[in-house]
Amino acid sequence: GDSVTQMEGPVTLSEEAFLTINCTYTATGYPSLFWYVQYPGEGLQLLLKATKADDKGSNKGFEATYRKETTSFHLEKGSVQVSDSAVYFCALSDEGSSNTGKLIFGQGTTLQVKP
Amino acid sequence: GAGVSQTPSNKVTEKGKYVELRCDPISGHTALYWYRQSLGQGPEFLIYFQGTGAADDSGLPNDRFFAVRPEGSVSTLKIQRTERGDSAMYLCASSIDRGTEAFFGQGTRLTVV
Repeated sequence: GDSVTQMEGPVTLSEEAFLTINCTYTATGYPSLFWYVQYPGEGLQLLLKATKADDKGSNKGFEATYRKETTSFHLEKGSVQVSDSAVYFCALSDEGSSNTGKLIFGQGTTLQVKP
Repeated sequence: GAGVSQTPSNKVTEKGKYVELRCDPISGHTALYWYRQSLGQGPEFLIYFQGTGAADDSGLPNDRFFAVRPEGSVSTLKIQRTERGDSAMYLCASSIDRGTEAFFGQGTRLTVV
């Protein structure tokens, strides 16, 4: 079945450092790909998404490019801030004929940014 | 309301008891999803409603789990004969229609002792 694998955390960075969180997926169809973020004490929020190969999703300085050839959707940010400390989840939604919108998540990666 | 509301935020119950978890989606959202998130893991899909009907319940782990959405708005996840392994965060999400952006509630943390 479809699955998502993320790099293990926690990831600890200093403020203004470059961030990469790796995400790879397995899917039988042509999924849409997402990054969700969960800030402390808050619910999951959509950070960015990409719906087809070579699309780049971006938001709040974060970017991820849908790479079909490597089945990857790595999250990057050029300069992290303390306020980016959160848990990040990579997810896919298989847009097959059923198109239910249900999401398959990775296990999450905790990011801690130190001042 | 402004967002997806889940009640209670925390629930502690004894093994073998019955529990109900409530989800109030964003007004007008026809699609509603339940997920379960164990500690240190990502959310796992349980069930999807389109309107009043359960369109996909393939994620329900066994017949102790059941969910309803009788009027196409509020949904209740029901767990019978709770077990310690049911302890987790239960998340609800809604979207305007299937396949559109899902908005998540803050979850109900269920602890079975």
